[in-house]
Amino acid sequence: QSALTQPASVSGSPGQSITISCTGTSSDVGGYNYVSWYQQHPGKAPKLMIYEVSNRPSGVSNRFSGSKSGNTASLTISGLQAEDEADYYCSSYTSSSFVFGGGTKLTVL
Amino acid sequence: EVQLVESGGGLVQPGGSLRLSCAASGFTFSSYWMHWVRQAPGKGLVWVSRINSDGSSTSYADSVKGRFTISRDNAKNTLYLQMNSLRAEDTAVYYCARVSVATFDYWGQGTLVTVSS
Repeated sequence: QSALTQPASVSGSPGQSITISCTGTSSDVGGYNYVSWYQQHPGKAPKLMIYEVSNRPSGVSNRFSGSKSGNTASLTISGLQAEDEADYYCSSYTSSSFVFGGGTKLTVL
Repeated sequence: EVQLVESGGGLVQPGGSLRLSCAASGFTFSSYWMHWVRQAPGKGLVWVSRINSDGSSTSYADSVKGRFTISRDNAKNTLYLQMNSLRAEDTAVYYCARVSVATFDYWGQGTLVTVSS
């Protein structure tokens, strides 16, 4: 199972919005509404930020939003803050297993 | 509060074995499918294995199939990963994670496995 495709890095200034894409196939992203997004700070465990494409868990800021079109999912972070600087990973369910994206490093300038 | 605490990592020689444990608390462990996910140093997350709630069904990534075995003891609220024939490329932080509706909703802090001579 090949990894989902994410940009290696994105950046933005405080207050701006950024979008991270996650491209898969019809066997994963395009075939299921089970795309999730995780934030990982250095040396820490991943943290769930978005599940089932566009749902936010309790406690996650509404600055984080998710969407999907065809085989590509997207994570948008609005009103960038310094603490948003981290690595972000997408994940999709795919017939009894899961596949992750390669990760995107978000830099807040 | 949901807690997942991994243990058992360490330094092992190529070809060696190691058993990881993941102690769960704060939820009904026997009701959830559980997974292992690993992350090589400086690299991304990679799904490794999963087990269903009663332990009767398992699945593995091709890279570990035949070498790793996932299991669970619901009486002890503990998940395991038996790793045999370890290779340098198995070096990684190993996370256990709870899955709910195809989402990794809780993760442990990870345990580092280093395969080196």
